[in-house]
Amino acid sequence: EAGVAQSPRYKIIEKRQSVAFWCNPISGHATLYWYQQILGQGPKLLIQFQNNGVVDDSQLPKDRFSAERLKGVDSTLKIQPAKLEDSAVYLCASSPGTGNSGTQYFGPGTRLLVL
Amino acid sequence: AQSVTQLDSHVSVSEGTPVLLRCNYSSSYSPSLFWYVQHPNKGLQLLLKYTSAATLVKGINGFEAEFKKSETSFHLTKPSAHMSDAAEYFCVVVRGATNKLIFGTGTLLAVQP
Repeated sequence: EAGVAQSPRYKIIEKRQSVAFWCNPISGHATLYWYQQILGQGPKLLIQFQNNGVVDDSQLPKDRFSAERLKGVDSTLKIQPAKLEDSAVYLCASSPGTGNSGTQYFGPGTRLLVL
Repeated sequence: AQSVTQLDSHVSVSEGTPVLLRCNYSSSYSPSLFWYVQHPNKGLQLLLKYTSAATLVKGINGFEAEFKKSETSFHLTKPSAHMSDAAEYFCVVVRGATNKLIFGTGTLLAVQP
């Protein structure tokens, strides 16, 4: 079974530029998550989708971050404009549903550096 | 609200010696707790999970954890460390019916030859 795919793996941009990340979850997984992991910290949930609907985006900085999952499969996360403090690893994860099993499958992440 | 505290940011052991990574939790009801491992440049992987069944939980690669309600702890152990165990380990609590994972700050395990 193919895992969660993310691209690009690395990105370097200057502040105030925009950037987009792509995620392809495991086939058949209804729930998709985006996390931000700042160096030295645990991952923090940014947004959770159930199919193409948003379940939780309470931690998403909506003035600069946006995410979509139009067809309930792939997802993109965008930052516009980027700030220095957005430097982090952005992780995508998926799970079959939102049941309380806690098992999520993570991609390798996209490492973003904002200069 | 549920949360977890990992008591050590770094742990260093010698190969072949026991591993102990400590985690305390805070929850107003019986929590679901997990340990995830993150190897360099790889995705997070579930090691084991506790969901109110047996209090001693066995995971992959010889790891296990014991849920102790009286101590509000969920420490991760392994009898004998291997070089391949070097990684960052996260204690995680599940919050709510939407499967939201709340991660601890992580413990970086180093294994010396």
